[in-house]
Amino acid sequence: DTAVSQTPKYLVTQMGNDKSIKCEQNLGHDTMYWYKQDSKKFLKIMFSYNNKELIINETVPNRFSPKSPDKAHLNLHINSLELGDSAVYFCASSQERAGGRETQYFGPGTRLLVL
Amino acid sequence: SQQGEEDPQALSIQEGENATMNCSYKTSINNLQWYRQNSGRGLVHLILIRSNEREKHSGRLRVTLDTSKKSSSLLITASRAADTASYFCATLSGNTPLVFGKGTRLSVIA
Repeated sequence: DTAVSQTPKYLVTQMGNDKSIKCEQNLGHDTMYWYKQDSKKFLKIMFSYNNKELIINETVPNRFSPKSPDKAHLNLHINSLELGDSAVYFCASSQERAGGRETQYFGPGTRLLVL
Repeated sequence: SQQGEEDPQALSIQEGENATMNCSYKTSINNLQWYRQNSGRGLVHLILIRSNEREKHSGRLRVTLDTSKKSSSLLITASRAADTASYFCATLSGNTPLVFGKGTRLSVIA
């Protein structure tokens, strides 16, 4: 069974559209993340949720809104898509432990292309 | 803000040779982690080294950490074609999120 899964794997859409990416983890972790990886492979965190509560919200446009219906899911909704949103979006999860967060488990990524 | 920076950006070696990648960071850390990313895939955790550790092994991987120099190295011994991937270091500091470097692209030629 896939530990962290994302859908869809590929997403091609027109500028101005609204789209969602879904993420689910079956590891029982209490923290989930969204990352954006640009064309130069630079990976940057966007959001982090711990037990359904937002704990990190890096500087991303308001057009990006994460939603966590439960501990195992963290979805990413993007409004009014722009060309610059084209990237690979990764979901990840981890388990908080005493002394800090441990390793992160990544999903396979969603390749978003905005035309 | 970017914390870790890998060096070199790209590395090409023959199968059987050792590959060494370096990572430098700027602030004090709780731990440093190395991840691998195969083309078109998500990142996979390889090894974690805590700030009070100096060296760690896992199979053909050896990671060192020098907190005085704020640097770490990842050594892959007896490389295989399947080791071809991008390798990222990531640092964890306090309550800040894990910060990834830009990665080293390793090509192992059979």
